[in-house]
Amino acid sequence: DTGVSQNPRHKITKRGQNVTFRCDPISEHNRLYWYRQTLGQGPEFLTYFQNEAQLEKSRLLSDRFSAERPKGSFSTLEIQRTEQGDSAMYLCASSPGTVALGNQPQHFGDGTRLSIL
Amino acid sequence: GQQLNQSPQSMFIQEGEDVSMNCTSSSIFNTWLWYKQDPGEGPVLLIALYKAGELTSNGRLTAQFGITRKDSFLNISASIPSDVGIYFCAGQTHSGGSNYKLTFGKGTLLTVNP
Repeated sequence: DTGVSQNPRHKITKRGQNVTFRCDPISEHNRLYWYRQTLGQGPEFLTYFQNEAQLEKSRLLSDRFSAERPKGSFSTLEIQRTEQGDSAMYLCASSPGTVALGNQPQHFGDGTRLSIL
Repeated sequence: GQQLNQSPQSMFIQEGEDVSMNCTSSSIFNTWLWYKQDPGEGPVLLIALYKAGELTSNGRLTAQFGITRKDSFLNISASIPSDVGIYFCAGQTHSGGSNYKLTFGKGTLLTVNP
């Protein structure tokens, strides 16, 4: 399977704990995005990487959230001191990002569903 | 910020019927995309539209990028049970190599009665 891979698929944790999610984008996709989706809503943008550089962070991304993409391949999203309101599906997407290819659509993984007890 | 209004919120149709859904925006997008999401899975790309006025088909699906760049519609012809799911429109702006984030509508829940 050469699609976007996310792990774990489900995470249940107690309020106040730290959690980390991983995203492996489609091979050779330079751009990587994190979105959050709550029940009955469309995905909302959190942050964006071009290779290893984090180029934008949404206001939704509080100080408790941090994302990395150290080698420009896989990415991790960490939430510290989780709160009830963090319960959501966290989606990762990737797309090619070269001038020659122009604007290419984003392809999503199946997400990590986070439940805070 | 940019907001997308997607309608209808939900649709309940009989197998074989055609269905149409649309999105409108208060601001311009450079690209419109339509995704389908099944329970517990991520959105799957159906159609991408890159030019104002563009009409694109993918099997039984047809989508158009509005002339004003502020709207798009998706039609599904001859619906089948596996068309059940949530359909999302998404708009994308891009300039100067900066952020290409997607702004999503709230989705249209489609139920197909066999």
